[in-house]
Formats: sequence, structure tokens, C-alpha cells
Amino acid sequence: DTAVSQTPKYLVTQMGNDKSIKCEQNLGHDTMYWYKQDSKKFLKIMFSYNNKELIINETVPNRFSPKSPDKAHLNLHINSLELGDSAVYFCASSLFLSTDTQYFGPGTRLTVL
Amino acid sequence: QQQVKQSPQSLIVQKGGISIINCAYENTAFDYFPWYQQFPGKGPALLIAIRPDVSEKKEGRFTISFNKSAKQFSLHIMDSQPGDSATYFCAASDMSGAGSYQLTFGKGTKLSVIP
Repeated sequence: DTAVSQTPKYLVTQMGNDKSIKCEQNLGHDTMYWYKQDSKKFLKIMFSYNNKELIINETVPNRFSPKSPDKAHLNLHINSLELGDSAVYFCASSLFLSTDTQYFGPGTRLTVL
Repeated sequence: QQQVKQSPQSLIVQKGGISIINCAYENTAFDYFPWYQQFPGKGPALLIAIRPDVSEKKEGRFTISFNKSAKQFSLHIMDSQPGDSATYFCAASDMSGAGSYQLTFGKGTKLSVIP
């Protein structure tokens, strides 16, 4: 009974391709996030959705487009992949405006060749 | 602009010793300070968290010390064990305002506990 799951776990692709990462949570949370962790382990938020509405959109290239079909799912689509997109992408979820913390998924390691 | 500064970047501690990781923040609106633990190949997981109305919180071998006036907080791991070897992240957020869903992370500390 995984709380926050992501697919795929590993993604290897060529520059210029388009790829998607899927995330699902079964915690009943209403807010979901995408983080990028670079090779130096720095965690940076990219997007956040609350009840399917975008509430955080950090300075991220518009090649990255999140989509939330419902509050249990948040997918990340990346167009025209570049070498610098190689990183580990984490999905997380929480309750909005709550002292409860964010729960992270296992991550998707994206390698762009 | 890094709003949460974490040190050291890496730490090596003997088994049974005390591991100490420090963080400093700039935004006085921050009022929730969690620590996350990340093992290789896994996502970060909440370890312990504190609100600024207390100066210390202890859970087992893990203690957060909080100094509001200095805008600093630290994680102490007592009787460190090889199984504690992981990367530790401090974080902060403003739980009261419109940005209360956003965690700002420190850059992480890689802890290695050697037998």
C-alpha cells in the first residue's frame, strides 16, 4: 500500500524527445508537488497543485508542463528534453494549509543522452 | 537567493558519537521547521519537525534545537549508528500565509557513521 508512487523509476532518453512521469497518491491529500533534485542533491520545488489547480509555478522552462487530472494524480510532461534536465524528479503530497508534512515518492531518475 | 543555509555539507561520525547538523534561515515568517532523511535511491522522509513556540523537541535519538532570536535550528543525533548514514535536509515554511504549502530546503548534509 504505497502512499506516493511514481512511474517510471528510471527513464533514459535522447535529447529532443518528449517524456512523461506519472505520480499517484493514496493518502487522501489535496495538494501535490513536483521537485527536482540535481546531482548535488539540492531539492528545488517546481510545481504545486491544490485540488487540480496550479498554485506554485517556480521559474521552470515552459518545456515542463504539469497536469492534474484529479487530486490524487499529478503528471509531469517534458518536451524537447535537454542534457540539463537530467536529475531525479520527486513527487510529493500533503494536506493544504495543514501542519502535516509532505510525503515524497521514490523518485524518477531521468537521464538525457 | 538561498533562504535556508545548511552546514556542514558532509559529516563523518564514529558509531556511538553525536552528529550535529546546523541550519540558519532568513525569512522571519517561517514557522515550521522539519528535517528530512533521505537514503540512497529513496525519496526524502520526514524525520522530526518543530514549531518556533518551543526551543527543543526530542524523538528517540533525534533532537531539534531551535533558537528563534538567532534564526537557527539544528539536528542532533545521539548514539549515531551506521544505519543513520543518509543525507539530511533541513527545511522551513510559512504555515500561516498564502505560501504555507511551500517548503524551502537546505542543501543537505551527507552523514556517514563509521563502525
